[in-house]
Amino acid sequence: NAGVTQTPKFQVLKTGQSMTLQCAQDMNHEYMSWYRQDPGMGLRLIHYSVGAGITDQGEVPNGYNVSRSTTEDFPLRLLSAAPSQTSVYFCASRNSQGYGYTFGSGTRLTVV
Amino acid sequence: EDKVVQSPLSLVVHEGDTVTLNCSYEVTNFRSLLWYKQEKKAPTFLFMLTSSGIEKKSGRLSSILDKKELFSILNITATQTGDSAIYLCAVEGSYGKLTFGQGTILTVHP
Repeated sequence: NAGVTQTPKFQVLKTGQSMTLQCAQDMNHEYMSWYRQDPGMGLRLIHYSVGAGITDQGEVPNGYNVSRSTTEDFPLRLLSAAPSQTSVYFCASRNSQGYGYTFGSGTRLTVV
Repeated sequence: EDKVVQSPLSLVVHEGDTVTLNCSYEVTNFRSLLWYKQEKKAPTFLFMLTSSGIEKKSGRLSSILDKKELFSILNITATQTGDSAIYLCAVEGSYGKLTFGQGTILTVHP
């Protein structure tokens, strides 16, 4: 039981490049979310999903896309990276009756 | 718009001190309030509170929720250097969405 797995752990992108941050969970959790963490700002919700095929925007969705084709996977796509997207990204999941979210170990992204 | 505010933003204490961290919130469709501890990596779960006035306790850490006044406190007694971390308060609203506060950076000196 691996929990929530995020890849890669570190990534450097050039402005304008695109990439996908991967998130997978093996706990059969319905709810999954992506957050970004910037100094002094806590974690902010980017996108979330309440089940396969269902996604919606959070607080800071601009520049990001998500899809949820399976219960296990919830990838986050950066369409055209910008320096403002330099951040630490966390994926989290829980089941529909669960208590508290389980977080992945994070992806540190730098856009130059 | 959902909002969570934590205070203080940072705190420096010595081992053995007791600390109280504060969290106030404004959230529609409140489901729960959660406390997390974050060291160098991902946040780790401490407590989830759903009912007013019921204290949750784990060792030297305890937390209580006041749903009427919309706040929660996290107490840490007899602090140790291993308690140094960022403490995050989050409130869960509709559809499992979490709104986080800015976090409190706790530093415990020997």
